[in-house]
Amino acid sequence: AQTVTQSQPEMSVQEAETVTLSCTYDTSESDYYLFWYKQPPSRQMILVIRQEAYKQQNATENRFSVNFQKAAKSFSLKISDSQLGDAAMYFCAYRRFNSGGSNYKLTFGKGTLLTVNP
Amino acid sequence: ETGVTQTPRHLVMGMTNKKSLKCEQHLGHNAMYWYKQSAKKPLELMFVYSLEERVENNSVPSRFSPECPNSSHLFLHLHTLQPEDSALYLCASSQFKAGPSEQYFGPGTRLTVT
Repeated sequence: AQTVTQSQPEMSVQEAETVTLSCTYDTSESDYYLFWYKQPPSRQMILVIRQEAYKQQNATENRFSVNFQKAAKSFSLKISDSQLGDAAMYFCAYRRFNSGGSNYKLTFGKGTLLTVNP
Repeated sequence: ETGVTQTPRHLVMGMTNKKSLKCEQHLGHNAMYWYKQSAKKPLELMFVYSLEERVENNSVPSRFSPECPNSSHLFLHLHTLQPEDSALYLCASSQFKAGPSEQYFGPGTRLTVT
């Protein structure tokens, strides 16, 4: 079974600085998807960024980028120029590539609570 | 309404009550999900419906009973719950297909069992 580990329960960053959130996962699959979701306080969880394992290029979405190390099974999220609105719980998630009836299932980590200090 | 909506947002119920959580998606998706979110634990997938058929049930106790009358609506019927069932219950929807189809989440129902 796949597992996702987020080793940092809490992180803090100064506004305008850069922060990196860690995520490691365990799988025997060679093709899969990885996601970072953001859950602001009392608000809906939204997708921040996704990475296809078969793509070597790291995904980037504006101030958010990932460092995907497939051999190390590591998928960290870097937030540049942190803003107050980035304060949230961040979840790393894994999904199998395309395995028939179970290609929908997301396996989540426990989350990292990010605080942004003004 | 847009996206995924859930009602009620907060619910307090006794262990002998019967209540239902409602989820509605306005995205034209064909798959819907119930997750349980407890503090300091990963999100737990409870049920998955695809094209209104249940495709996964992760050994959830029978005191939780899902219902999916159509592709836009999903219910979670609750009865004789336990205090450890207190959690945030999230609904999500997606397009059930190959590829990295994104799951869209609702705001959740904060359930407290007394």
